[in-house]
Amino acid sequence: EAQVTQNPRYLITVTGKKLTVTCSQNMNHEYMSWYRQDPGLGLRQIYYSMNVEVTDKGDVPEGYKVSRKEKRNFPLILESPSPNQTSLYFCASTLSGQGHEKLFFGSGTQLSVL
Amino acid sequence: AQSVAQPEDQVNVAEGNPLTVKCTYSVSGNPYLFWYVQYPNRGLQFLLKYITGDNLVKGSYGFEAEFNKSQTSFHLKKPSALVSDSALYFCAVRDMGNDKIIFGKGTRLHILP
Repeated sequence: EAQVTQNPRYLITVTGKKLTVTCSQNMNHEYMSWYRQDPGLGLRQIYYSMNVEVTDKGDVPEGYKVSRKEKRNFPLILESPSPNQTSLYFCASTLSGQGHEKLFFGSGTQLSVL
Repeated sequence: AQSVAQPEDQVNVAEGNPLTVKCTYSVSGNPYLFWYVQYPNRGLQFLLKYITGDNLVKGSYGFEAEFNKSQTSFHLKKPSALVSDSALYFCAVRDMGNDKIIFGKGTRLHILP
């Protein structure tokens, strides 16, 4: 089954403790992206990747890192999480950078930073 | 810079009535426009898209959307609402000039039995 898999689904951590949220897709998609969803703010793009070893900042990249060493994986790294990073995070992918294909979304990761 | 506006935080519609969820956009070039739906505790699911051609596009679950270039709008519509249509709806735009995909803030649709 074609899917985007995120782990974990729920995560509670403390300020400053490094964490990684994994994202994997099995559709051979070139484009992958991370979003955070906050009430009243909708989805905001954190980082995106057009292909392996190519990453770019979205609208809210501060406090986050990403890497794209393999085509299927696009982990989101929080080196020193802070409470303002408490949010619902979604990974998404699409076939290529041509722009007109639909995004496939993971099920989300609810992160709480205490 | 590109942007998407969904002017209504919430829309209430009686079951069986037509529904409209509004979206306006701003891009520097020609847009690719999308609608996604989010059900509780789920990721977003694609509903429909406008790339080029006919201004009225049809999508999943009986939804359709009308692209209006002069009004820079892409409103989502359905002729007869179902209670199961209750969800959070997001409009998204991709400017053909860059690689970012920008989402609106979302509109919560309540279909009343």
